[in-house]
Amino acid sequence: DQQVKQNSPSLSVQEGRISILNCDYTNSMFDYFLWYKKYPAEGPTFLISISSIKDKNEDGRFTVFLNKSAKHLSLHIVPSQPGDSAVYFCAASAGDDKIIFGKGTRLHILP
Amino acid sequence: EADIYQTPRYLVIGTGKKITLECSQTMGHDKMYWYQQDPGMELHLIHYSYGVNSTEKGDLSSESTVSRIRTEHFPLTLESARPSHTSQYLCASGLGAGETDTQYFGPGTRLTVL
Repeated sequence: DQQVKQNSPSLSVQEGRISILNCDYTNSMFDYFLWYKKYPAEGPTFLISISSIKDKNEDGRFTVFLNKSAKHLSLHIVPSQPGDSAVYFCAASAGDDKIIFGKGTRLHILP
Repeated sequence: EADIYQTPRYLVIGTGKKITLECSQTMGHDKMYWYQQDPGMELHLIHYSYGVNSTEKGDLSSESTVSRIRTEHFPLTLESARPSHTSQYLCASGLGAGETDTQYFGPGTRLTVL
């Protein structure tokens, strides 16, 4: 039973536009959420995180929004750039030093 | 930039061979992790360690074993490789505990067992 769900396996966005990646979770004990970016043949790279006490966290072109009542978070990338083409993993932790990952969304930035 | 290293990056090996995948980190993190990932799938935790001489099995059952004799080193061993072990193996380390649960990953080892 998946606790972290990324329902879109892939997403294509025009360069310069906004990319929105979505993630849903089922475990109400999760209190820390992370996004990782992964290029082929490389390990995931930490991108941005958010604590459950916040509803928004911003870092440059990347913003993560958390809606606790809906158990939903999203990653916004604006403006999207060619180097953003990668697989993005949503992940969550319940404070037990373990991270649960979603299956990932492959983002294609189109020229 | 996280300083965590994995060797080899790629390994093709025959069935029945013993292999060890190396993972080292220079950040002084107590917590280290091994994940297994197949294409298009989530990362599955197979082993973790909270410090020297501490090892635990993860959520996904694995025939591999790990050891943690030094803080910086967390090798994974398969005594007898099988084609079902073909996967990508990712090592990570982190500080753990709530908001500092961020884990930093190595580049991974792509294992193929023929």
